Amino acid sequence: KNQVEQSPQSLIILEGKNCTLQCNYTVSPFSNLRWYKQDTGRGPVSLTIMTFSENTKSNGRYTATLDADTKQSSLHITASQLSDSASYICVVSANTGFQKLVFGTGTRLLVSP
Amino acid sequence: GAVVSQHPSWVICKSGTSVKIECRSLDFQATTMFWYRQFPKQSLMLMATSNEGSKATYEQGVEKDKFLINHASLTLSTLTVTSAHPEDSSFYICSARARTASKPLGNQPQHFGDGTRLSIL
Repeated sequence: KNQVEQSPQSLIILEGKNCTLQCNYTVSPFSNLRWYKQDTGRGPVSLTIMTFSENTKSNGRYTATLDADTKQSSLHITASQLSDSASYICVVSANTGFQKLVFGTGTRLLVSP
Repeated sequence: GAVVSQHPSWVICKSGTSVKIECRSLDFQATTMFWYRQFPKQSLMLMATSNEGSKATYEQGVEKDKFLINHASLTLSTLTVTSAHPEDSSFYICSARARTASKPLGNQPQHFGDGTRLSIL
């Protein structure tokens, strides 16, 4: 069964600190892995997309890593800001048919002043 | 960047009413649009996939007659919740996949609307 699991479920950090979110997946055949940021009451916004051959990708203060062998990914946030408070969703695309996205349940991040 | 506009953003209506939600890709052509449903503190659940000019493909457990999807053009898809009841109350989100010739289908970005919060009384 295609699944994406994320940890931790929720996280509170102080403004200015770094944090790392984890994602494990069992989606097969694998096409790509995406990280999205979803603010409360809004739609998800894409942060990064990584294919099988990519180990790391950065978008500003966000850096995603991918280990396709162990089927793990991480999202590292540097020098957190209050506006980083959101849910971060790991999404894996299965290389079948419509290329459906399999969504993780997300990590709810709260950056505290 | 690519923008997906979803309207309305918030709907409150009486039980038995039908509600139409629009999803538009504003600055790109979307051959495929997706409709999701999200319950509080849960992740997005795919309801259906629609390709322009053809019938939508519904996920298992999603009633076709309950959730009518129309994808009449490359920039517009609509979801109609027919005879809505309180259990249909949820956050509905659409997304659109751009047609980009330079990338394989699976690696193409999927852009999300800001969602529609539907509350049925």
